[in-house]
Formats: sequence, C-alpha cells, structure tokens
Amino acid sequence: DAKTTQPNSMESNEEEPVHLPCNHSTISGTDYIHWYRQLPSQGPEYVIHGLTSNVNNRMASLAIAEDRKSSTLILHRATLRDAAVYYCILKGGGATNKLIFGTGTLLAVQP
Amino acid sequence: EADIYQTPRYLVIGTGKKITLECSQTMGHDKMYWYQQDPGMELHLIHYSYGVNSTEKGDLSSESTVSRIRTEHFPLTLESARPSHTSQYLCASSAPGQGNEKLFFGSGTQLSVL
Repeated sequence: DAKTTQPNSMESNEEEPVHLPCNHSTISGTDYIHWYRQLPSQGPEYVIHGLTSNVNNRMASLAIAEDRKSSTLILHRATLRDAAVYYCILKGGGATNKLIFGTGTLLAVQP
Repeated sequence: EADIYQTPRYLVIGTGKKITLECSQTMGHDKMYWYQQDPGMELHLIHYSYGVNSTEKGDLSSESTVSRIRTEHFPLTLESARPSHTSQYLCASSAPGQGNEKLFFGSGTQLSVL
C-alpha cells in the first residue's frame, strides 16, 4: 500500500480557514485519496475523497496536485467541533484493498 | 447517516473471561472490518470480511476471532481475555467499490481487562 506523510499536529483559530497537507509521492494511478477524521472518543468519520480533480462537499474541500503526489484538505471556517485527528489515506481500486490508517494530523482549534 | 452499531460501549472484565463484542449494520454492506486502537495511537486493521462466510486476518496479528454468518452481523470474540487486550475496538462497514467506497464506523467498544 502506498504511504502518506502528514504533519503530526497543526493549530488553527476559530472561524479561520485550515489547510491540512498530505504527501503521497508513491501514489499509483488507480489510488483514491481519502480523508477521515476522528473526534475524541469516537470512531473515524468520512470527510471527503477524490481521484484527480478537486472535490467539494458540505464538510470540506480537497485540492489535489496536478501530479497527484500531494493533496490538501481545506476546512473553510474552522469551528471548535473540527478539533480532531485528520487521516489522509490512499485506497487502491482492487476489490480486496483495505483502508490502512497512519498517524494523522492532530488539529487544535483555538477560540 | 451511519447505521452501524457496536455494543457494549464500555466493558470492564477480569482476566480469563470469554467476551464477544457485537457489531451490526443495517445498510446491507458486504464488507465489514474490525480495527484496534490504543490511546493516542493509529488504528490497526485486525479482521475483515467481504461477505457471509468470508473472514480474513488483518495487518495486525490478534488473538481474537470473528465470524460472519449474517450480512448484518460481525461479532468479535476473545476466548480468554488478558490485560494486553485492553484497547478500543472499532467496527466498520462499506459497500462494494473500486477504491472510492466510504467506510462507516461504529462508536467503538472500550475494553478494559483487569
């Protein structure tokens, strides 16, 4: 499975945008880029995923570099409830491929 | 949105006891997974299933066992619990896909073995 590299932690102020980076230089052509987040004492929650084009949903935006070797999760206005561990994961297109979590980025949001 | 349930939410038990952690989903998903997570650490896949009567071991070796007799149910069993089994256990499910399928997670079972 291709690996991802994320900063261990980041800080943001409430109501400001947050850009969470992820490097995945060994990504293959069929790998999807997934983002999940885990709030304290809860199971992970799906945030967004993409393949080549930038993606937007009600939670966040995903900006994917043209060479696909990096991506950025964008939270447009951070709230205190966005404080969580954010995981960037590559998932292949094979039917048996599994979601393998790394250590993620711990996002702290200051009021 | 997520219809995947884990019980119990918390379990404190003595060494040597047999325990079963329950996981059920009502979404008709074929794929189900068990992850183990220690405090502040990453999730490790310990078991997965691609459908009824299909079970596979994950990337982290575990003394637990699983069964998949019904699509909606994926219980995890420890025959003889030990303090080293203390951890959070998270169940997940997904529909079929080619890498773009979303995983839905339960709230987890926090197991403490004394």
